[in-house]
Amino acid sequence: DADVTQTPRNRITKTGKRIMLECSQTKGHDRMYWYRQDPGLGLRLIYYSFDVKDINKGEISDGYSVSRQAQAKFSLSLESAIPNQTALYFCATSSGRARDKNIQYFGAGTRLSVL
Amino acid sequence: QQPVQSPQAVILREGEDAVINCSSSKALYSVHWYRQKHGEAPVFLMILLKGGEQKGHEKISASFNEKKQQSSLYLTASQLSYSGTYFCGTVSGTYKYIFGTGTRLKVLA
Repeated sequence: DADVTQTPRNRITKTGKRIMLECSQTKGHDRMYWYRQDPGLGLRLIYYSFDVKDINKGEISDGYSVSRQAQAKFSLSLESAIPNQTALYFCATSSGRARDKNIQYFGAGTRLSVL
Repeated sequence: QQPVQSPQAVILREGEDAVINCSSSKALYSVHWYRQKHGEAPVFLMILLKGGEQKGHEKISASFNEKKQQSSLYLTASQLSYSGTYFCGTVSGTYKYIFGTGTRLKVLA
């Protein structure tokens, strides 16, 4: 089983709809992240969280919100989806331990299309 | 400001070598390297923690020069399986993580 699981893997939705992408992990990591990747472009950070009570905006948080329901669960919501949010979304986790500190471990990704 | 990688893209024949560079405008304390195959998630390759220290993974190695705020990834005797996009990554500010601009590498038979 994957250590970082994202659901759904693919989603097609319409403009204006609310949508939630979910991420769960069994790695025991305290840090979780949401990234967005557009074709031919790099990875941009949307939100990150270092524990259940800690939520921080990343580079491109406008139009997105997150919820850290438990140490192992971190959800990303698009309150009112728009076409330019069509992208590949990745959840990642990292440990705060010195040896492998901040190494990002990714889920398989969610491919989102907003029509 | 994300680290800038060079070259943006490179095409190799099997067995050829390549170097990918990652330069930051801010101080680097550690650098991570990842490879992402088309349609898949990035996968961690290696970590560089000390200036000048090289770490190896198969026929891939890397160096880290803290003073120059640069890291380089060396791929020797490239294989078809090395094709993909390579990213450097590092911590920016307090705990926030940032990736480099990426380098697309294609290895031809």
